[in-house]
Amino acid sequence: SQQGEEDPQALSIQEGENATMNCSYKTSINNLQWYRQNSGRGLVHLILIRSNEREKHSGRLRVTLDTSKKSSSLLITASRAADTASYFCATDSKGGSEKLVFGKGMKLTVNP
Amino acid sequence: IAGITQAPTSQILAAGRRMTLRCTQDMRHNAMYWYRQDLGLGLRLIHYSNTAGTTGKGEVPDGYSVSRANTDDFPLTLASAVPSQTSVYFCASKDSPSTDTQYFGPGTRLTVL
Repeated sequence: SQQGEEDPQALSIQEGENATMNCSYKTSINNLQWYRQNSGRGLVHLILIRSNEREKHSGRLRVTLDTSKKSSSLLITASRAADTASYFCATDSKGGSEKLVFGKGMKLTVNP
Repeated sequence: IAGITQAPTSQILAAGRRMTLRCTQDMRHNAMYWYRQDLGLGLRLIHYSNTAGTTGKGEVPDGYSVSRANTDDFPLTLASAVPSQTSVYFCASKDSPSTDTQYFGPGTRLTVL
């Protein structure tokens, strides 16, 4: 069963605009991670936020976590054409077996 | 070059044939994972191994088997392939089961006819 669900499933924006992706999950978590996948490639880890954190930054990435709503958002500021990729959230459940459960992913297209 | 390699890159296979997908990592990571990625379903865990000599079942283990004879290698075997196993398969690893970041291989695209 899927833990994380990204929303929207697809987003198309212009270069320079901000892109926001949302992830909802169902059970209590230790942490939530965001991964990126370029077409035809493996996933690459972007950023991790722990359950006791509310916001985290890494370069042009900003992640928020609301454990009361069981949701997270990934904001990419000043997007570039090279940000075009699929983005996945993944959760590591509390009391679980330390395995990640991935969402279905969201396709971001940044038009030059 | 440090990382995870997978072989083959792609394969077309007749139904009923046996196939082993190879995965090797040179980071000395203890934990390794096999996922399949299907359109609209995201990544689903097939099998995992927390350390050499141990394996466990993931979300969709039926029709697949794994072994972990050493730290570096984690092959995935389809004993008798079926068309529903057509997918892209990703191997991943992380330093230990309790660490966070997984590192992914480039994937194997498998088509079962």
